[in-house]
This record gives sequence, structure tokens and C-alpha cells, in this order.
Amino acid sequence: DTAVSQTPKYLVTQMGNDKSIKCEQNLGHDTMYWYKQDSKKFLKIMFSYNNKELIINETVPNRFSPKSPDKAHLNLHINSLELGDSAVYFCASSQRGLTEAFFGQGTRLTVV
Amino acid sequence: DQQVKQNSPSLSVQEGRISILNCDYTNSMFDYFLWYKKYPAEGPTFLISISSIKDKNEDGRFTVFLNKSAKHLSLHIVPSQPGDSAVYFCAAFTGGGNKLTFGTGTQLKVEL
Repeated sequence: DTAVSQTPKYLVTQMGNDKSIKCEQNLGHDTMYWYKQDSKKFLKIMFSYNNKELIINETVPNRFSPKSPDKAHLNLHINSLELGDSAVYFCASSQRGLTEAFFGQGTRLTVV
Repeated sequence: DQQVKQNSPSLSVQEGRISILNCDYTNSMFDYFLWYKKYPAEGPTFLISISSIKDKNEDGRFTVFLNKSAKHLSLHIVPSQPGDSAVYFCAAFTGGGNKLTFGTGTQLKVEL
């Protein structure tokens, strides 16, 4: 039973489209994150939500909008996709106050 | 500004020998340091961590050493096994920031 699952695993889309990536965790954690791994393999945090409340927004373009309907879900919606958005996006979760975060398997987004 | 750095993009070690992966950081406010292991097409998985108040933590074949004065940590794997071949990310955590800051990773290859 997957702890942190994200869908889809692969996403190929054209520039200008709008797309969403879904994430769900069944660990009972109260904090969820989106990380982006770019072409240089650098893993960088984008957003963090604690109990459905946004607590970190790392100067991400406002074309990216996270949505947390409940503690177990954190979706990422991206408007007007650009070539530079091509990357692997990882969802993660943790319990606030603890350091270890659990990651999903990643979504490879390719914008053509 | 990269606060966590892994200067060796790759490392090759023979099976049975010791693997030493290095990491440097610049932010003295980091509370915890973690190592994550990542296989292709999978998310990072937690390996071992160390608090900033300790200088060593051991878990089976994995030991992490922290040198606060040098702002340096290392992961020792002994003996190395072929299944250890993966990308290893060093990460640092500040409780106040509630986020992990990752290095760029080191690709470890353990050869037979």
C-alpha cells in the first residue's frame, strides 16, 4: 500500500495548456510538500501545506497553484505551461516537528 | 544561493569496500541533516539522519558523521553492495523553516 502516491507518473503536454498533478498520502501526516527536480537534478521546494494551510511558497510563478482539499491531499495545478516547466515534480509528506519526509515516485512533466 | 552542496557528482566503488559521500553546507541554522537515496524513476527514500548536536549516527552499514566547525558531513557505507548503486542526496532541515534543503546529489556506482 503506497504511502505517498501521485498521478500521473508521466505527463506530456503542449505549451499553453493547463494541467494538474494529484497527490495523496495515507500516513496520517499533517504537512505536505511539492518539490521540483530540474534538468540539473537539483531538488527544490515549491510549496508546503500544514493542515490545509499554505506555510511555504518559494517564489514560484503564480501560474502554479497548489490546492489542499484535506490533510491527505495536495494537488498542483499549472496554468499556461511553458517549456521551462519541464521537470520531475515530487510530492512529499511529513509530520510537523519531525524531519523525515516521505516522497512519492514523481511526475515527469514534459512540455513540448 | 546553494546552501547545501555535494561537490562530487559521481563516485565509483568496488563491492565490499567503503563508500564515502560528502556534503558541505553554509547555513549554521540547520538543525538536522539527512541522507536520502534515490533509484531511477522513484522518489527519494530516507536513509539516515543526524542532529546538529551530535557528531555521529550509525545504522547498520550506514554511518553519518557531522563536523559542525567545518560545516561538513559525510555518509559512510561499509561494506558497499551493488544494491547501493543509486543517487544519494544530502539534505538539511531547519525546524523554523519546516522544509528540507537538498544538495545536488552524488551518483554512487558499486561495481562487482
